[in-house]
Amino acid sequence: QKEVEQNSGPLSVPEGAIASLNCTYSDRGSQSFFWYRQYSGKSPELIMSIYSNGDKEDGRFTAQLNKASQYVSLLIRDSQPSDSATYLCAVRRDNAGNMLTFGGGTRLMVKP
Amino acid sequence: EAGVAQSPRYKIIEKRQSVAFWCNPISGHATLYWYQQILGQGPKLLIQFQNNGVVDDSQLPKDRFSAERLKGVDSTLKIQPAKLEDSAVYLCASRSRRDGNTEAFFGQGTRLTVV
Repeated sequence: QKEVEQNSGPLSVPEGAIASLNCTYSDRGSQSFFWYRQYSGKSPELIMSIYSNGDKEDGRFTAQLNKASQYVSLLIRDSQPSDSATYLCAVRRDNAGNMLTFGGGTRLMVKP
Repeated sequence: EAGVAQSPRYKIIEKRQSVAFWCNPISGHATLYWYQQILGQGPKLLIQFQNNGVVDDSQLPKDRFSAERLKGVDSTLKIQPAKLEDSAVYLCASRSRRDGNTEAFFGQGTRLTVV
């Protein structure tokens, strides 16, 4: 079992729709959770961080965390073609190690 | 605030040759990560430093890969000798330890092609 799992996609949504990206993790000791966006040929760019159960909203982005279910998701409202990218989920154990582990990423395609 | 700097941006070498990558983290960031990202996959952690000490290198192929961060600031990752399967983007990231809830930021990466 991979430590951080994501559906590789591609996830295709029409412009203006809500895109829902999901991530599960295996380490119950994980305490910090991140979503990175990666455009083709570019490095990952942090778009959201979440540290406690519930929802966190930032503009069109909402991150949702459920530690009991070991599940974190990212919702993108009013999806735009410029949102087309690979979205990487990352989790971190906040102990002495602070290892940051990534999933394989989900490719999102927003069609005009 | 300057970001994470990496060089070179691109490198093409023949198999069995050696190569080195350099990373300068964001000023004041104590934690430095090196990741390998093969095309179509997520980043895989190779090594993590806390200041000049290694925190985790369990996934570093130590027979050919080495890394150092001697003064706790910039870092070098070396591959010797390179194999075809080392073709990937090598990403450096850094994180502050000023408080618990901090995020890691990535450099532009070095794209390595081994032929």
